[in-house]
Amino acid sequence: EPEVTQTPSHQVTQMGQEVILRCVPISNHLYFYWYRQILGQKVEFLVSFYNNEISEKSEIFDDQFSVERPDGSNFTLKIRSTKLEDSAMYFCATTATGVKNIQYFGAGTRLSVL
Amino acid sequence: EDQVTQSPEALRLQEGESSSLNCSYTVSGLRGLFWYRQDPGKGPEFLFTLYSAGEEKEKERLKATLTKKESFLHITAPKPEDSATYLCAVQGGSARQLTFGSGTQLTVLP
Repeated sequence: EPEVTQTPSHQVTQMGQEVILRCVPISNHLYFYWYRQILGQKVEFLVSFYNNEISEKSEIFDDQFSVERPDGSNFTLKIRSTKLEDSAMYFCATTATGVKNIQYFGAGTRLSVL
Repeated sequence: EDQVTQSPEALRLQEGESSSLNCSYTVSGLRGLFWYRQDPGKGPEFLFTLYSAGEEKEKERLKATLTKKESFLHITAPKPEDSATYLCAVQGGSARQLTFGSGTQLTVLP
């Protein structure tokens, strides 16, 4: 069964460092999303991406965050200067075109900012 | 602003003891209500999507229903492997983003 693949599974970084989280979407899916889940809290939407541009973003997604699809297969989330409060699970999700809008999630990347 | 409230926060059942999880929502123009299962340290796993009041979906021991204000996830004769956190999410208006509830942590004891 096709699945969304995220790497790395766990990333440890020092405060102020840049991190890049990677996602390989399900083949032929065209809509991509990033969500995060701080330990013990709700899953929160960060950003959606379609046709090589951001289509929606939340208040969380400030200038420290960016997304891109560098090579037609990977979808990345970059955090320029990490803060302690960025520690969370980050999930990538993808959707095929069409009316069902079902989002399929990857296993996530656990980001620990020290 | 879309809002989703799930209850109870946690539920412990004996194997075979049926029950229901509740998801109350407020959304402008519901496009879809989604149920996901999340195991510890994993990503949400899609279970069901419901689009209009009165709709029902079933999968093995799970059945999801939808009204104009809430959705229920009914679990019939649960087994220990059904233990997980069950998440409800809505998609409303023209947005594609999902708004999640806090989830119900289900534990099924053998």
